Amino acid sequence: DQQVKQNSPSLSVQEGRISILNCDYTNSMFDYFLWYKKYPAEGPTFLISISSIKDKNEDGRFTVFLNKSAKHLSLHIVPSQPGDSAVYFCADININTGKLIFGQGTTLQVKP
Amino acid sequence: DADVTQTPRNRITKTGKRIMLECSQTKGHDRMYWYRQDPGLGLQLIYYSFDVKDINKGEISDGYSVSRQAQAKFSLSLESAIPNQTALYFCATSDPPGTSESTDTQYFGPGTRLTVL
Repeated sequence: DQQVKQNSPSLSVQEGRISILNCDYTNSMFDYFLWYKKYPAEGPTFLISISSIKDKNEDGRFTVFLNKSAKHLSLHIVPSQPGDSAVYFCADININTGKLIFGQGTTLQVKP
Repeated sequence: DADVTQTPRNRITKTGKRIMLECSQTKGHDRMYWYRQDPGLGLQLIYYSFDVKDINKGEISDGYSVSRQAQAKFSLSLESAIPNQTALYFCATSDPPGTSESTDTQYFGPGTRLTVL
């Protein structure tokens, strides 16, 4: 079965510093992953994705790194801002069904 | 206006009651999904639909049913609610692969907080 694990339930960083959120996976069909961000009382919103043809994808302050040999991906936020405080989910996707397989989420707190 | 809306946003009900959660979307997407979120478990897929005539079970469909009344509407029913169905419920939509650059992105509604006493 496709599985995604986020082993750190929470992370606290100082404003301006780097936030690194980690995700491990098994049995991915296509090594294509997405990160979602969720604020309280709102649905998850798409943040950034990465496909197997790349080992890095960058969008402004957000960069996702993919290490296929280690079956590991990470999201870097630089510099972190208080508005980044949210729950972050990594997700694998079953291309055939469109089903997203989510990790448990990591709650990021960025302190001013 | 929001692209994906859910009603109600909050609901408290008693064990054994029938509950319907509704989802509407204005994105024109064919695919719609229902997820539930429990603390520490991420989001789990309940049901999904690729078009009006298509309904598929997800990981945790027991105790739930769905209806795809139109392309824009996908409702989730709990025929006889039980306390362990207390959770956050999210509806999501997406395009089929190949229809746009962001076909793998799912767009989520704001969620419904359901409490079953």
